[in-house]
Amino acid sequence: KNQVEQSPQSLIILEGKNCTLQCNYTVSPFSNLRWYKQDTGRGPVSLTIMTFSENTKSNGRYTATLDADTKQSSLHITASQLSDSASYICVVSARSNYQLIWGAGTKLIIKP
Amino acid sequence: DAGITQSPRHKVTETGTPVTLRCHQTENHRYMYWYRQDPGHGLRLIHYSYGVKDTDKGEVSDGYSVSRSKTEDFLLTLESATSSQTSVYFCAISVGGETEAFFGQGTRLTVV
Repeated sequence: KNQVEQSPQSLIILEGKNCTLQCNYTVSPFSNLRWYKQDTGRGPVSLTIMTFSENTKSNGRYTATLDADTKQSSLHITASQLSDSASYICVVSARSNYQLIWGAGTKLIIKP
Repeated sequence: DAGITQSPRHKVTETGTPVTLRCHQTENHRYMYWYRQDPGHGLRLIHYSYGVKDTDKGEVSDGYSVSRSKTEDFLLTLESATSSQTSVYFCAISVGGETEAFFGQGTRLTVV
C-alpha cells in the first residue's frame, strides 16, 4: 500500500535554531515528492519539489533532500524564525496514475 | 491565494440536511480537487475533476457527490450530512495531475 509517514509528529524549537523534518514513503513507482507548508487556518503552499534524479534542493532557509534508494526525504530549516511556525506536509506522487499520497504532517512551533 | 475562492468559509448544519460547498477558480486550471483535513490525518481526497463534467472518486468519497458544469466551478455536495463529516474542506487546483496544487482557504463545516 502506498504510504507516506512523517516524523516527528510535532516539534518545538527556539527561534534561531535549526531543525530537520523527516518523510519516509513506500510509494511506487515514484514520480516526485513535494514539501508543503500550511499555516494555521490556511491551505498548504508548495515549498519545493524533488524529482527522482535530485538529491538536494534549497529554497532560502529551507533545504530538502531526497534519497530514492531508501525512500526518504528530509526538510532542513536553518536559523528558524517565528514565521516558520506551521505544519509541514510531505506529498508523494505515484508515476502510474499521478495519485498524490499525503503525509499527516509535522507541526512545528518556534518559540521566541 | 492563487485565484481560488471557497464558499462558505464556515457553516454549521444539522444532521440529515443537504450541504453544498462551492469552489471557484479564475486560473482556468484543468484539475480541481476536494480534500478533507482532520486532526491526525493527512489531507484525504474526496473527489477530483479533470475537466468539465469529468470527475472521479478519491479515497473517501462515500456520502459525497460533486459536479463541474463549468471550468471555473467545482461543487461538493453532502446529500445528508452526518457528524462524521465535520471537518475542514479544502479545494485545490492544478494544471496537471502531478503538478503543484494551489489551495483555497478552506471551509470549516460542523454537523451537529
